[in-house]
Amino acid sequence: QVQLKESGPGLVQPSQTLSLTCTVSGFSLTSNSVHWVRQPPGKGLEWMGGIWGDGSTDYNSALKSRLSISRDTSKSQVFLKMNSLQTDDTAIYFCTRGDWYFDFWGPGTMVTVSS
Amino acid sequence: DIQMTQSPPSLSASLGDKVTITCQASQNINKYIAWYQQKPGKAPGLLIHYTSTLVSGIPSRFSGSGSGRDYSFSISNVESEDIASYYCLQYDNSPYTFGAGTKLELK
Repeated sequence: QVQLKESGPGLVQPSQTLSLTCTVSGFSLTSNSVHWVRQPPGKGLEWMGGIWGDGSTDYNSALKSRLSISRDTSKSQVFLKMNSLQTDDTAIYFCTRGDWYFDFWGPGTMVTVSS
Repeated sequence: DIQMTQSPPSLSASLGDKVTITCQASQNINKYIAWYQQKPGKAPGLLIHYTSTLVSGIPSRFSGSGSGRDYSFSISNVESEDIASYYCLQYDNSPYTFGAGTKLELK
């Protein structure tokens, strides 16, 4: 069955770089896209960006200058790197599958930006 | 960017009520709207896509409709397990954008 799971550090210092990994199973990264969505505590959902089956990427313009999404198809992993983190980047980060709407989601990983 | 204006922000209902949530897009989104349910501490779960297509296994008390810029999502006969937050998502154009959410509570 389709599964996604996020992993990464729970705490990041301000101005540092966040690195997250999404490990997927039950589908191929070359046939489906994977996206990152985040949710600050008590707030709504924000699409950050995604990587398509052909390897092309798409980013939210508000984050584009700080964000990079890549993948390793041999390991069924998608990576998120975002630099210059600030306290308002504190959020739950989800990876989700979807070439159109997002149908399967990981459980999310909480990232706190704090010194 | 397409803005999705979702209302109301919160909703109070009794068991058995019918409730409706609306999302208005800032431009025509060609019916490319999905609806999600999110319970505390959980990831969003897909309920409906392409305006009105119910995901397999989702009860028929959930429904969606709309066209152009205006869309709605309804729950008929609200049950206790429906208490959650609901979000719309437009996927007609990048960047994909979500509505701000509606929190459904029991009266």
